[in-house]
Amino acid sequence: DVVLTQTPVSLLISLGGQASISCRSSQSLVHSNGNTYLHWYLQKPGQSPQLLIYQVSNRFSGIPDRFSGSGSGTDFTLKISRVEPEDLGVYYCLQRTHNPYTFGAGTKLELK
Amino acid sequence: QIQLVQSGPELKKPGESVKISCKASGYTFTDYAMHWVKQAPGKGLKWMGWINTYTGKPTYADDFKGRFVFSLEASASTANLQISNLKNEDTATYFCARFPDYWGQGVMVTVSS
Repeated sequence: DVVLTQTPVSLLISLGGQASISCRSSQSLVHSNGNTYLHWYLQKPGQSPQLLIYQVSNRFSGIPDRFSGSGSGTDFTLKISRVEPEDLGVYYCLQRTHNPYTFGAGTKLELK
Repeated sequence: QIQLVQSGPELKKPGESVKISCKASGYTFTDYAMHWVKQAPGKGLKWMGWINTYTGKPTYADDFKGRFVFSLEASASTANLQISNLKNEDTATYFCARFPDYWGQGVMVTVSS
């Protein structure tokens, strides 16, 4: 199975600051069709995960441009600029290139 | 708007069965697969598998073969997850999801004697 290693495990960020989360895969996430199915989610306490970024760098509908995704192959990054209170929660990466689909272990974003 | 609405929380004893539902609206149900995801208390997300909503064919991740059954009521745009012979370690929130974008609100299943 593909292992997604997320770092850091937790982040303490001041309001208005910038956060960066890494998701490293144990194998390339480039599908045979050329697409890379690596997505980013935020799960707020007591809620279901919400999609932020799909296929590495595409912001989902309604997601502010403070959120950006980048990367290729096995190394991916989610950046959050100008952190706001509603950004707090646990961030997960998900790969859907290989079966079984796998999630990273999560990164908890907290306020400093 | 697209919604996935799941059934309510369940409290069961070990050895019992549970069936939870996920009703989709706002899109053509048979155009998208339905996936299931488990989240144990305080833990991360684990993909359980998916069901082809057009053919009804389920696919299970290895850890979810045997006691777990995905099914459909396609006429009602509803996907179901049934877990038999419940164990304490099945205590979790179970999400349905139309990957990658829409998720249900989750169903908390508690297994306790």
